[in-house]
Amino acid sequence: DVKVTQSSRYLVKRTGEKVFLECVQDMDHENMFWYRQDPGLGLRLIYFSYDVKMKEKGDIPEGYSVSREKKERFSLILESASTNQTSMYLCASGQFTDTQYFGPGTRLTVL
Amino acid sequence: GQNIDQPTEMTATEGAIVQINCTYQTSGFNGLFWYQQHAGEAPTFLSYNVLDGLEEKGRFSSFLSRSKGYSYLLLKELQMKDSASYLCAVRDLSQGGKLIFGQGTELSVKP
Repeated sequence: DVKVTQSSRYLVKRTGEKVFLECVQDMDHENMFWYRQDPGLGLRLIYFSYDVKMKEKGDIPEGYSVSREKKERFSLILESASTNQTSMYLCASGQFTDTQYFGPGTRLTVL
Repeated sequence: GQNIDQPTEMTATEGAIVQINCTYQTSGFNGLFWYQQHAGEAPTFLSYNVLDGLEEKGRFSSFLSRSKGYSYLLLKELQMKDSASYLCAVRDLSQGGKLIFGQGTELSVKP
């Protein structure tokens, strides 16, 4: 079975803090993705990566950055957290011709 | 541009059949995916269609008509555990092969 894990299920941070969300997959997938999911807005792509050290902006990259130093790990960074970044963050991985497999999600609250 | 539409919510009775529709407009269509997402959990893959026709997988079936930009997910012999959000997603090659998600259909199964 494909396994995608995320470092935390729930996270509470303060405005202005730097936040790291980690994602690890064990299927040697080339592509990895970070989404956020908000009520009424659906899943929105923040960043994705199709290879180590490669990254591409998604639909809503502002306020976020990413890092992919190893194939299995894709990190999402909030340089200075703001309250409008309170959301459910979902990581996914997959091969180009295959479906995406999602991690369990991190519910981030920024106070 | 791209656009994916699906109903916001549906209600059905245990044991019945329900059909969830999805219409899309994309310039580089390369497959349509259905995911199931229970409240507070990550989306899980249900089905994939790239050619026209019906794909059946147990109680779930998915249909695609590329000429009409239309798909549906058919759930038979509904069970209470089928209460969830159902996400339609289209792979768009003109967007680098990203998945474009609809906002999801919240299905409530009542006894």
